[in-house]
Amino acid sequence: DAKTTQPPSMDCAEGRAANLPCNHSTISGNEYVYWYRQIHSQGPQYIIHGLKNNETNEMASLIITEDRKSSTLILPHATLRDTAVYYCIVRVSGGYQKVTFGTGTKLQVIP
Amino acid sequence: SAVISQKPSRDICQRGTSLTIQCQVDSQVTMMFWYRQQPGQSLTLIATANQGSEATYESGFVIDKFPISRPNLTFSTLTVSNMSPEDSSIYLCSVESQGLAPTEAFFGQGTRLTVV
Repeated sequence: DAKTTQPPSMDCAEGRAANLPCNHSTISGNEYVYWYRQIHSQGPQYIIHGLKNNETNEMASLIITEDRKSSTLILPHATLRDTAVYYCIVRVSGGYQKVTFGTGTKLQVIP
Repeated sequence: SAVISQKPSRDICQRGTSLTIQCQVDSQVTMMFWYRQQPGQSLTLIATANQGSEATYESGFVIDKFPISRPNLTFSTLTVSNMSPEDSSIYLCSVESQGLAPTEAFFGQGTRLTVV
């Protein structure tokens, strides 16, 4: 079973920030939070990951709560090309652990 | 990062036949992973392929149905055998980054299989 829960779908207006939540209440101390997205008919694409500190890169920001039981992926200025299914995954880094995908959140960016 | 090429990108096959999907990586990797994504569903891991040893299959997947080869550190194949319409899915190859940094998974573009 997936270790994360996400809302099945969300809408966001183009140009606005998209905030995608993820619950991972059973996360272990050595597990990272990873986010991937899958644009229609493509393979999943890595977005960002974090352990306990907030992270930012050129694609997105990741906010992890202090107790690490939930996180939020933020796309600061959503575009139509950000329409995709977003997957939140928790896993240990290294050791080639199996990655379990949940159902993800289908984000629809609206013009 | 790793660049993964999958072939074919899509195919339409007759039931009862078999299709072999190829996955080529631009760098040497220890493990390669094969996933299935049924229509409208998330990704499900089929098996993990190590070079020089038998693949490890997840519950619900068997070697007779999904034989896997891993002849070297940059290449793997997945065969979908004796296909039925229920096998219509996207099949994805994945590898993980090597080294000390937090692990990152890379995926091929997938093979869209339709069985008629």
